[in-house]
Amino acid sequence: DAGVTQSPTHLIKTRGQHVTLRCSPISGHKSVSWYQQVLGQGPQFIFQYYEKEERGRGNFPDRFSARQFPNYSSELNVNALLLGDSALYLCASSSLVETQYFGPGTRLLVL
Amino acid sequence: QQQVKQSPQSLIVQKGGISIINCAYENTAFDYFPWYQQFPGKGPALLIAIRPDVSEKKEGRFTISFNKSAKQFSLHIMDSQPGDSATYFCAASRKGNEKLTFGTGTRLTIIP
Repeated sequence: DAGVTQSPTHLIKTRGQHVTLRCSPISGHKSVSWYQQVLGQGPQFIFQYYEKEERGRGNFPDRFSARQFPNYSSELNVNALLLGDSALYLCASSSLVETQYFGPGTRLLVL
Repeated sequence: QQQVKQSPQSLIVQKGGISIINCAYENTAFDYFPWYQQFPGKGPALLIAIRPDVSEKKEGRFTISFNKSAKQFSLHIMDSQPGDSATYFCAASRKGNEKLTFGTGTRLTIIP
């Protein structure tokens, strides 16, 4: 069975640019969450989507946005990139209320 | 505000020994407490989870102990093996809310 998949695996951008990260959940899972993991820290919650509706948003600026598609895949968009946006971006999917399964992440480096 | 505090930051245990990682939470609305294992370059993998209606849960070599009154929970890894060397994160979430609040992580190293 395929787990959560994310693309791309690595990405290098420069300050001020825009980036789009993609996530495909485990088949049958309708909820997708996004987390940012800065090196040496625990993941921080960014967004959660369920059935294409935003269910929650973490303490991140409006430069961060996301959406979920009818096939339950999701995109995370970040505008006007800052050096501090360099991190591992994780996508997690779930079907049950509380069990989340994470993908391998997208490593973003902003120069 | 850090709602889940994790200790120690790093831990070195001899092969065959017991590894113990502790977490404390502040929000009494938390109702679900998972532990994740993360290897370098990989996403976190769910290891074991507990709800506050039980004080202990065991799966193989991994055990969660939960103390609701103290708002603390811990992970015990019995017979620790070199393959257990990884970073471990505790987390918590509220009932019906999937947002996970993570601890700061513990880097575990098992030495021969």
